[in-house]
Amino acid sequence: QKEVEQNSGPLSVPEGAIASLNCTYSDRGSQSFFWYRQYSGKSPELIMFIYSNGDKEDGRFTAQLNKASQYVSLLIRDSQPSDSATYLCAGPNQAGTALIFGKGTTLSVSS
Amino acid sequence: EPEVTQTPSHQVTQMGQEVILHCVPISNHLYFYWYRQILGQKVEFLVSFYNNEISEKSEIFDDQFSVERPDGSNFTLKIRSTKLEDSAMYFCASRGGTHNEQFFGPGTRLTVL
Repeated sequence: QKEVEQNSGPLSVPEGAIASLNCTYSDRGSQSFFWYRQYSGKSPELIMFIYSNGDKEDGRFTAQLNKASQYVSLLIRDSQPSDSATYLCAGPNQAGTALIFGKGTTLSVSS
Repeated sequence: EPEVTQTPSHQVTQMGQEVILHCVPISNHLYFYWYRQILGQKVEFLVSFYNNEISEKSEIFDDQFSVERPDGSNFTLKIRSTKLEDSAMYFCASRGGTHNEQFFGPGTRLTVL
């Protein structure tokens, strides 16, 4: 059974700081990973995906994938109060078409 | 920007009643999904649908659940006889792109009394 694990937090950072969110996964064969942001009471919103080892940058967000360590991370630079949300890490399920989600890490950015 | 839409936003029903949740996926997407999220818990996969048939279902998706694509735009989830434990947010998602990028609708909050 594939699993995706996240520290539920909360992670608290001051405005302008770097927030680092981490995720580990059980299946070494998994290829693509996704980061979703979920505001309270809302649906998951895709913010990044990564499928190659290394870093992928998009604006203030950088996703990092280390397949050997089965580890995915999301860095948010210059954190803003509007970044306060739960961040969900997701990877492919056994068949590779649906997603398995972690429990999410709650980020709180204080102004 | 195209988006997934869902109706209703909130559905309240009595235990044992049937409910149908509605979704309109992004128009050029071919794979459709239903997920659910019980309050405070993980998002869980229910079912995927491709080429007018179920391509995969989870163990949650038992005989009480069914999906249908009644026309070229709608995608529905039916729960035949609701239980208290079916109370959750139900999300529809559609998939586009080459890396299984799934885009979620706003969800339907189902409350079973």
